[in-house]
Amino acid sequence: QSALTQPASVSGSPGQSITVSCTGTSSDVGAYNSVSWYQHHPGKAPKLIIHDVSNRPSGVSDRFSGSKSGNTASLTISGLQAEDEADYFCSSYTTSSTLPYVFGTGTKVTVV
Amino acid sequence: EVYLVESGGGLVPPGRSLRLSCAASGFIFDVYGLHWVRQVPGKGLEWISGISWDGRSVGYADSVKGRFTISRDNAKKSVFLQMNSLRPEDTALYYCAMISLGEEFFDYWGQGALVTVSS
Repeated sequence: QSALTQPASVSGSPGQSITVSCTGTSSDVGAYNSVSWYQHHPGKAPKLIIHDVSNRPSGVSDRFSGSKSGNTASLTISGLQAEDEADYFCSSYTTSSTLPYVFGTGTKVTVV
Repeated sequence: EVYLVESGGGLVPPGRSLRLSCAASGFIFDVYGLHWVRQVPGKGLEWISGISWDGRSVGYADSVKGRFTISRDNAKKSVFLQMNSLRPEDTALYYCAMISLGEEFFDYWGQGALVTVSS
């Protein structure tokens, strides 16, 4: 099982919308609706922002949304704000009994 | 508020052992699965081990199987990772993270403990 593929960086201006992709295989992203997304400010604990493809935990801004098509999941941040500048990574449950969770390669989101 | 705090990291020569601890607070500990995920500097995250809420089911990635052992003490709200026969490629930031029963996503994470394996 390989890591899920994400773009290394995505940037946008305040107020814009950006999308981060997360591409896996039929053994992970494509197998279940169990894709989650995390926001990570370096030095802090990663924070869950989307689970089960498109569900937001309580307290997470509705500017964050998720979707999936086939083996690719996507995170969209609308109305980009300076505080959104962080690393973002996806995760998926897999069909493997020895590696049940895989992670994305990570995307640095920059607000320019 | 939920907190997961890792400890026990440090610098260790190849072949030696280290034990990581993760202390939890702010939630009902014994209904959550606990996991260890690591991040090699400059690289992505890797799930390496998990333990069920009752400790009866454990799992390991091939990269650490036979060398690492996960355990938990629900009375102390803690999870542990005993790491033996450490290798330079085990150098990473080690996070503990929790998963609710029946779910497949990591609700909360700690800030990580740095393990450096070097002579």
